[in-house]
Amino acid sequence: EAGVVQSPRYKIIEKKQPVAFWCNPISGHNTLYWYRQNLGQGPELLIRYENEEAVDDSQLPKDRFSAERLKGVDSTLKIQPAELGDSAVYLCATQGVRDEQFFGPGTRLTVL
Amino acid sequence: AQKITQTQPGMFVQEKEAVTLDCTYDTSDPSYGLFWYKQPSSGEMIFLIYQGSYDQQNATEGRYSLNFQKARKSANLVISASQLGDSAMYFCAMREGGNYGQNFVFGPGTRLSVLP
Repeated sequence: EAGVVQSPRYKIIEKKQPVAFWCNPISGHNTLYWYRQNLGQGPELLIRYENEEAVDDSQLPKDRFSAERLKGVDSTLKIQPAELGDSAVYLCATQGVRDEQFFGPGTRLTVL
Repeated sequence: AQKITQTQPGMFVQEKEAVTLDCTYDTSDPSYGLFWYKQPSSGEMIFLIYQGSYDQQNATEGRYSLNFQKARKSANLVISASQLGDSAMYFCAMREGGNYGQNFVFGPGTRLSVLP
């Protein structure tokens, strides 16, 4: 069974540019999370989806961040415009039967 | 207030010895789950072990065991017979609430270095 797939793995952009991250979850996993992980810290939740519904986006900076999960499968996280402080690893995770989370490899974003 | 506390920023252990990584948590919810994840330098987060708040016995998964002390709100990870490949960041996490799909909170992590 394939794991959580994320692309791109690395992205370098200049500030004020837009950027998008894509996540393909494990088949059948209805709950999907986006996290941001700053260097040397634990992941911080940005948004959680149950199927196609965003059930918790309270931590998402809505002035510049947006997310969607069409048809309850793939998800996209977008930043527009990016700021220097957005440099981080963006992790996508889905939830298994024991509530454990399966993480993708992440997208490392560098904003110059 | 921090919901997950990991007081050891870094730990060293000799290969083949056991090591305990500390984790304390804060919740008023009677139903919760506790998790440990490993993050090697490659960046991938790997699930290690799970303990439910109503579980009577401490969880074990191979060389990993969770020392769950509910009254003290601690959920320490014990790694037996450390291997060089165990060198990584280790994160303790908590899921509050009894319903499937609640949010997770992660601690700041402990960096474990296994010495040959």
